[in-house]
Amino acid sequence: KNEVEQSPQNLTAQEGEFITINCSYSVGISALHWLQQHPGGGIVSLFMLSSGKKKHGRLIATINIQEKHSSLHITASHPRDSAVYICAVRSGGGETSGSRLTFGEGTQLTVNP
Amino acid sequence: DSGVTQTPKHLITATGQRVTLRCSPRSGDLSVYWYQQSLDQGLQFLIQYYNGEERAKGNILERFSAQQFPDLHSELNLSSLELGDSALYFCASSVESSGVPSSYNEQFFGPGTRLTVL
Repeated sequence: KNEVEQSPQNLTAQEGEFITINCSYSVGISALHWLQQHPGGGIVSLFMLSSGKKKHGRLIATINIQEKHSSLHITASHPRDSAVYICAVRSGGGETSGSRLTFGEGTQLTVNP
Repeated sequence: DSGVTQTPKHLITATGQRVTLRCSPRSGDLSVYWYQQSLDQGLQFLIQYYNGEERAKGNILERFSAQQFPDLHSELNLSSLELGDSALYFCASSVESSGVPSSYNEQFFGPGTRLTVL
């Protein structure tokens, strides 16, 4: 079993739909990242959170530390949201200890017009 | 644009060869991370450097090595290349400085180097 599990693996939606991508992890973390990877390969960091909820435009990310679960929501989805969304958990960190990201397998989102 | 630069963008080479990938972090970032993304393994953490020193090691092969120079740029050296080393190699940087809680140290990714081993 992977340390970071994402669901679904693939998601197809119609423009305007509300989308949820889930991430569960089994290790202790200092933070959780949501990343977006476009077909060209570039990776963009969407959110980094260690508690609660963050919102940026149409994107919302939540995390429940006790349940070891995070969700990424996209409201009013648009074809330009089509990309791979990757959950990554961070362990360690700071000046005196190393840190690393462990990645989920990603969710391929396709939003049709 | 994340502010992290990587060169080259593409690299095609043959098995058994050695290549060097270069990463320049965002201005002010002390920490550099290297990641490998292959079709069968997904994204994997390779190694972290902080202010010139190795700080954490992940799934990095013995044929691979990295270093971070005094100007904070980093190089990833891949030697005795095999077909299976074909992948996208990303570097990322973060601040990781004193006074900043570790949970605030967001990582910014470079555009990646696509390595093809023939």
